[in-house]
Amino acid sequence: DAGVIQSPRHEVTEMGQEVTLRCKPISGHDYLFWYRQTMMRGLELLIYFNNNVPIDDSGMPEDRFSAKMPNASFSTLKIQPSEPRDSAVYFCASSLGVRRNMNSPLHFGNGTRLTVT
Amino acid sequence: SQQGEEDPQALSIQEGENATMNCSYKTSINNLQWYRQNSGRGLVHLILIRSNEREKHSGRLRVTLDTSKKSSSLLITASRAADTASYFCATADTGRRALTFGSGTRLQVQP
Repeated sequence: DAGVIQSPRHEVTEMGQEVTLRCKPISGHDYLFWYRQTMMRGLELLIYFNNNVPIDDSGMPEDRFSAKMPNASFSTLKIQPSEPRDSAVYFCASSLGVRRNMNSPLHFGNGTRLTVT
Repeated sequence: SQQGEEDPQALSIQEGENATMNCSYKTSINNLQWYRQNSGRGLVHLILIRSNEREKHSGRLRVTLDTSKKSSSLLITASRAADTASYFCATADTGRRALTFGSGTRLQVQP
């Protein structure tokens, strides 16, 4: 099992440019989460999907952020236009279902470190 | 907003000593989870304790949960240099699927 795969590992871009982050969840997992980590705010949930459907996007900071999950094996997080305050490490995580309100452990990718200059 | 808050923020110990980290949370939960994060890597799940459990063990890890005080502790016994990492507690409000993570404890184990 390759685990959750994120790409790219590092992204440096100029303010105003479009940024697309990619995630391949673990095969068979039906939940996918996007988190953002910064020193100031810690780990913040941006959005999560269940069976490719967005369930809760209340953490998406602005309309500049959008996320899609066109199929069970791929998700993207897009920022357009990017701003310096978007600089952070973005994590994708997946998990296998929820039974009896029990939250299954999350499996994280190694993240994408985004720097917007 | 942060659901879990870890204490202390940073901890430095010698190899072989025990490390204790605490977590407090605010709402009713179904379970509480602990994760480890090595520098430059994603979080790794360590252990899950259900709301009806008071203590759980996994290898050198011992987790306690006190739902009346809305707090949990993670004990790492006989620490090793490889335990150097940040440790996070995570909870989800009852009925919510997504986890909210605390601010983390940075553990440094000196060889």
